[in-house]
Amino acid sequence: RKEVEQDPGPFNVPEGATVAFNCTYSNSASQSFFWYRQDCRKEPKLLMSVYSSGNEDGRFTAQLNRASQYISLLIRDSKLSDSATYLCVVEDNYGQNFVFGPGTRLSVLP
Amino acid sequence: GAVVSQHPSWVICKSGTSVKIECRSLDFQATTMFWYRQFPKQSLMLMATSNEGSKATYEQGVEKDKFLINHASLTLSTLTVTSAHPEDSSFYICSARVPPGQGSYEQYFGPGTRLTVT
Repeated sequence: RKEVEQDPGPFNVPEGATVAFNCTYSNSASQSFFWYRQDCRKEPKLLMSVYSSGNEDGRFTAQLNRASQYISLLIRDSKLSDSATYLCVVEDNYGQNFVFGPGTRLSVLP
Repeated sequence: GAVVSQHPSWVICKSGTSVKIECRSLDFQATTMFWYRQFPKQSLMLMATSNEGSKATYEQGVEKDKFLINHASLTLSTLTVTSAHPEDSSFYICSARVPPGQGSYEQYFGPGTRLTVT
């Protein structure tokens, strides 16, 4: 089993739609969790850290379920500019070991 | 968020030559930096973890004598691709980890270096 798994997509959604991504991880000792977005031919950029209590930043909501070992990202009112690949990242060794998921590609269509 | 710079942003070199890529944390001290490689339409692949003042830890399958990493200061890590070959052509991205005590272990990426070996 891969350490971090994501549905590769692509997810093609119309503008204004709500879309959700899930990510599962295998190491129950993982400590920190993140969502990054990566645009084509660019570096990944931190979208948000994911906290145990869940957190929201504008149209984006991230949740963590430690018992089931999955992380989710919800995007409301999708914009064309949200089109990107969303990477789930799990850290499990006090900042020494970051494991990236393969990414989920999102295309928001006009 | 924290700022990480990378230089050069792109380079074209001839087969057999060496290329050095610099990664700098501009507004924080990074005891740990990471080097990744990404081929077109593929995931990021971690090459090595670089800790300031010590030898880098390489991932399995990455030749340490070919990809030389030096992390001599808290704000600079360098990756040298020695005797480059066309199959080394890729997008090389560094990242720096925010130090403990400044939030969770977030890492910030440089803009990447696109290497083309002819």
